Amino acid sequence: QVQLVESGGGVVQPGRSLRLSCQASGFTFNMYAMHWVRQAPGKGLEWVAVTSYDGNRKYYADSVKGRFTISRDNSRNTLDLQMSGLRPEDTAAYYCARNHGYPGYHDAFDLWGQGTVVTVSS
Amino acid sequence: DIVMTQSPDSLAVSLGERATINCKSSQSVFYSSTNENYLAWYQQKPGQPPKLLIYWASTRESGVPDRFSGSGSGTDFTLTISSLQAEDVAVYYCQQHYSIPVTFGGGTKVEIK
Repeated sequence: QVQLVESGGGVVQPGRSLRLSCQASGFTFNMYAMHWVRQAPGKGLEWVAVTSYDGNRKYYADSVKGRFTISRDNSRNTLDLQMSGLRPEDTAAYYCARNHGYPGYHDAFDLWGQGTVVTVSS
Repeated sequence: DIVMTQSPDSLAVSLGERATINCKSSQSVFYSSTNENYLAWYQQKPGQPPKLLIYWASTRESGVPDRFSGSGSGTDFTLTISSLQAEDVAVYYCQQHYSIPVTFGGGTKVEIK
């Protein structure tokens, strides 16, 4: 069925790195821009990054720019988020989300994964 | 960045009554070339990811009950639940997708009175 499944979360020390993955299935992955969104415990939603359908354009929130890298592999239907220089304030549930329309990225997010939790703590 | 401000932070409504949530953007999210407002509404229940309810400010996502409606244009938007049901207890977020960075409102918690 149409779904997104995140993996890779865990507990990591400040300054270390972690790679999240999102496996897409049930739709034509290479048609859609894809986003990462995070939610700190008990807090609201924060957009993190977007990659265009072909991976050629990538944009980031200022809070993660220079530390996080979004990428995709359309041959494997996967979306990744490489996180480095992690800080306690990066602690959150991380969701991958599909852009509602295609091929652009200025749309609502119509499909979300269940999320993977990242905890940054010493 | 476009700042999204929701009000109220929380509200308690009796079953079957109307719930109204407001969202204001710090600049217009209306794109004249497409004649659309780049504003969406999401519902998030505890332990679940957000669910898209409304996009283009007033277009209901497929499968969303018609008691949910969105209105507004430019900088001022409203999500209305016409007759609150028990399953509507959740936090609701507005989102602008007019420009990068995409930004969300702070959320409105809807409870049963």
